[in-house]
Order: sequence, then C-alpha cells, then structure tokens
Amino acid sequence: DADVTQTPRNRITKTGKRIMLECSQTKGHDRMYWYRQDPGLGLRLIYYSFDVKDINKGEISDGYSVSRQAQAKFSLSLESAIPNQTALYFCATSDTGGRNYGYTFGSGTRLTVV
Amino acid sequence: GIQVEQSPPDLILQEGANSTLRCNFSDSVNNLQWFHQNPWGQLINLFYIPSGTKQNGRLSATTVATERYSLLYISSSQTTDSGVYFCAVEFANDMRFGAGTRLTVKP
Repeated sequence: DADVTQTPRNRITKTGKRIMLECSQTKGHDRMYWYRQDPGLGLRLIYYSFDVKDINKGEISDGYSVSRQAQAKFSLSLESAIPNQTALYFCATSDTGGRNYGYTFGSGTRLTVV
Repeated sequence: GIQVEQSPPDLILQEGANSTLRCNFSDSVNNLQWFHQNPWGQLINLFYIPSGTKQNGRLSATTVATERYSLLYISSSQTTDSGVYFCAVEFANDMRFGAGTRLTVKP
C-alpha cells in the first residue's frame, strides 16, 4: 500500500457542486499539506496542518477548506466548484517540517470542473 | 517570499547524453528536494539534499547552500528519464516549487 493515499484519483464535477478530496497516510507524520498544480506550472500550497487541531492557509486558499479529522487524514473541500479549479491536486506529508527525510507526496487527484 | 528558479525550462537530449539541471533559490532554506514528475503525473522523490552531494545510479545531486543553488546531474540519459524535474525548497512552513525543467530524451 502507498504511504500517502489520495481518493479519488480522477473526478469530473459540475460548476457549483461541493466536492471533497481525501488523503490518508501511514507514515505517522505529523504534518500534512494540500497542493495544487496547474498545467506547465509547479505546485502551489493551498492549506497545511501541523497537528489535528491546527489548520493554516497557504498561498492560494480562497475557495477551499480543509479538515484534519485525525493525524492520518486530511481532506480538502471545494465548497462551490468553479472551472478554474480544474487542476491536479496533491497531498503531502512530512515529519517535523521535512528536516529528516523530506516530503512524501500522494499520487494526485485529477479534478475537472465543467 | 522565496524565489525558486530552475534552468533550463526545456531540454531535449539524445539517448545516452548527459545533462545538468540547475536550481537557484533566493534565501536560506531548511530543506531541498528534487522530484521527477512522470507522464502520469506522479511525483517521484529523487533526492533529499539540503547540502552536499548524493548519488543514486545515473543520477546525482549537489547543493551548495551557502551559494543558494543545487544541481541535478543525469548521466547516460534514457527515454524513461523524460518528464518534468522539479526542485522544491522548504522555506518557513512549506515547500516552494520551481517551475520545473521539462526533459525530453529521444531514442
């Protein structure tokens, strides 16, 4: 099993719908992140969490919300999806800020909003 | 915020050739990683290298933290090396990514 699992792998949704992307990890890391990648670009941070009750906005948090239900689970919600949220979404984990082994990424969720 | 610049943006090689990819960053960082994004979109962690030199098969990387740059060397390139190579640095509380180098290796 993958260390960081994202579901679903692919999703097509309609404008205005609410959608949730889920991430779970078996690495025991305390820190979890959601990133977004647009075609031809690097990844940009949406939200991050250092612990179950800790939620922080990243570079591009507008239009998104997150929930850290447990140490191993971090979900990303689009409250009312819009077409420019079409992108590849990645979840990542790290241990104490990645100072030991770096960040580990999931396989990504390809989201299309029509 | 911190700037991460990668060069070249695009690189086309003949199979068997060697290449060097560069990553410059504008501030001191806690961590630096190189990733390969394959054609299916997966991010493969190549190196965790905040400083020094590491080698893994045909790939090696060097980070000179005091001069704020890192290099990724690919020797004897193969078609399976094609994809996008990202440098990412940890600054404050998150990883900041460069725009990537798109590598195409032709048979």
